[in-house]
Amino acid sequence: DIVMTQSPLSLPVTPGEPATISCRSSQSLLDRNGNIFLDWYLQKPGQSPQLLIFLGSNRASGVPDRFSGSGSGTDFTLKISRVEAEDVGVYYCMQALQTPLTFGGGTKVEIK
Amino acid sequence: QLQLQESGSTLVKPSQPLSLTCTVSGFSITSAGSSWAWIRQPPGQALEFIGYIDQSGTTFHNPALKSRVTISVDTSKSQFSLRLSSVTAADTAVYYCARGPPLSPWGQGTLVTVTS
Repeated sequence: DIVMTQSPLSLPVTPGEPATISCRSSQSLLDRNGNIFLDWYLQKPGQSPQLLIFLGSNRASGVPDRFSGSGSGTDFTLKISRVEAEDVGVYYCMQALQTPLTFGGGTKVEIK
Repeated sequence: QLQLQESGSTLVKPSQPLSLTCTVSGFSITSAGSSWAWIRQPPGQALEFIGYIDQSGTTFHNPALKSRVTISVDTSKSQFSLRLSSVTAADTAVYYCARGPPLSPWGQGTLVTVTS
């Protein structure tokens, strides 16, 4: 199985400031067509997870442009350019290159 | 607007099967390229992939669950289902259904508790 490792575990943030979450995979998530099979999800308190970013860097419908995904191979980053109060929750990366799909352990973002 | 809703048994006895159904609304379950997935989240823990079924009916499941998982689609009811056999306390979790991957949207989730 592909192991997904996220850091940090917890991220206190100040509204208006940027935030960065890292995700590393145990093997490359790049397929032969150049697609990166890495997605990002946000689980707000008491809610179901929601898709933020798919295929490494594509924002899902309705996701604010303050969210961006980048990376290649085995190292990936989710950036929030200016954190807002509504961005609190647990962020998960997930690889979709092969089954079983595997998730990172999550990064809890909270307001300082 | 595509919506998914889980339903089924919320209390299951050890060694019994767990059965859940996900009802799809606002979208055709037979839509080209659509896959339908199940994910779970034990209390206070991270997300765990259970499996998904693609448009051709091929299923992909988590080997960690061995051969206990069955996923099927009922197009006449616009539903897809999960059956997990021989449950133990370790199967206690919130179970989510979702379209995908990529997984979007997700259902609201249903807590299934395994208890005697």
